[in-house]
Amino acid sequence: NAGVMQNPRHLVRRRGQEARLRCSPMKGHSHVYWYRQLPEEGLKFMVYLQKENIIDESGMPKERFSAEFPKEGPSILRIQQVVRGDSAAYFCASSPLEGFHSPLHFGNGTRLTVT
Amino acid sequence: DQQVKQNSPSLSVQEGRISILNCDYTNSMFDYFLWYKKYPAEGPTFLISISSIKDKNEDGRFTVFLNKSAKHLSLHIVPSQPGDSAVYFCAASAGGANNLFFGTGTRLTVIP
Repeated sequence: NAGVMQNPRHLVRRRGQEARLRCSPMKGHSHVYWYRQLPEEGLKFMVYLQKENIIDESGMPKERFSAEFPKEGPSILRIQQVVRGDSAAYFCASSPLEGFHSPLHFGNGTRLTVT
Repeated sequence: DQQVKQNSPSLSVQEGRISILNCDYTNSMFDYFLWYKKYPAEGPTFLISISSIKDKNEDGRFTVFLNKSAKHLSLHIVPSQPGDSAVYFCAASAGGANNLFFGTGTRLTVIP
């Protein structure tokens, strides 16, 4: 499967625990974007990364949330001390290049439930 | 601040008829517009796009129209098929960046 791969598909965490969401971009894509979709809402941009660099994290909450895209391995979105309001679907997308318009390709998401 | 708006949360259309989904935006810097289709428990799938230098783009049964002066775009699906039933998201970006701003989606139901 050459598409964007996200795991796990479903993640249940208790309040206060940590959640780690993984994303492997499409082959040949070096740009990764994380989006969050709350119930009955559209997708909201969180963070844009290239390998080893955070380019734009303007949509990510300042506290408890962090993201990385290491030289080797998948991109990780990390949520510390989860709260019920973090329950949402988290989508990762990738693109090949920046500087010209190309559609983002999305994974099937990770649905996080905080109990 | 919702920069991309889809004011119709749902739309029902008879099979074989035309589906028209609408989208408005407020940011005049947007120069690239896309439509995505989303099925439950799946990620959004790219459908069709249009650059601001054009006012129409067509791909098979799907046509996107852009009215820059009105800051409005629409997606036409004709003829509509039951498999088109999904949530459709309008999205926009600016200045060569691929970061997208999404609308809240319109749920299309095509009735056989």
